[in-house]
Amino acid sequence: GAVVSQHPSRVICKSGTSVKIECRSLDFQATTMFWYRQFPKQSLMLMATSNEGSKATYEQGVEKDKFLINHASLTLSTLTVTSAHPEDSSFYICSARERTGADTQYFGPGTRLTVL
Amino acid sequence: GQQVMQIPQYQHVQEGEDFTTYCNSSTTLSNIQWYKQRPGGHPVFLIQLVKSGEVKKQKRLTFQFGEAKKNSSLHITATQTTDVGTYFCAGYHRSYQLTFGKGTKLSVIP
Repeated sequence: GAVVSQHPSRVICKSGTSVKIECRSLDFQATTMFWYRQFPKQSLMLMATSNEGSKATYEQGVEKDKFLINHASLTLSTLTVTSAHPEDSSFYICSARERTGADTQYFGPGTRLTVL
Repeated sequence: GQQVMQIPQYQHVQEGEDFTTYCNSSTTLSNIQWYKQRPGGHPVFLIQLVKSGEVKKQKRLTFQFGEAKKNSSLHITATQTTDVGTYFCAGYHRSYQLTFGKGTKLSVIP
């Protein structure tokens, strides 16, 4: 149980386009989802925390107009990278916190974004 | 698919006792990372191991990477209450996909 999926797993896009990444909790309800970014072989960096039905909380230095997060339901959060540029190329990982187990967090497999 | 298994899922220890969590991958890893998540917080990067058989230490924490680069362990000597949290391993496979283990939740009884 407690599986988190992400789609797509890999995406390549042209500079200036927008890319949407989906994060789903498959067998549990997640009131809170987290979005992370990771550069190759570097530490995970928290971008934002999203709570179902409310606006996401962004970490310092993360542009909220650049990285749009929508947590529309208890099983789905989306991250949209708007007007992507090559420097946005990275590995994006989501995680979900169970409704009943506040300290338990499950990670998705990640999405590799490459902007040409 | 690529899987990273982590055991145990939970561990309760008396303060001062040692603690070990193990991570096993179904495929060879290019490197492995360890994270700690405090209750209510988010995962914080601890260390990265790259070489076969590598051993690294951070104070009371000892990290090992197996010779076949398919398993790893984190050992804490003489646990303290500040060690409480969930420890995650995460392995990079050749596709550069980072696969996380499900974590080991450590409770330390004072």
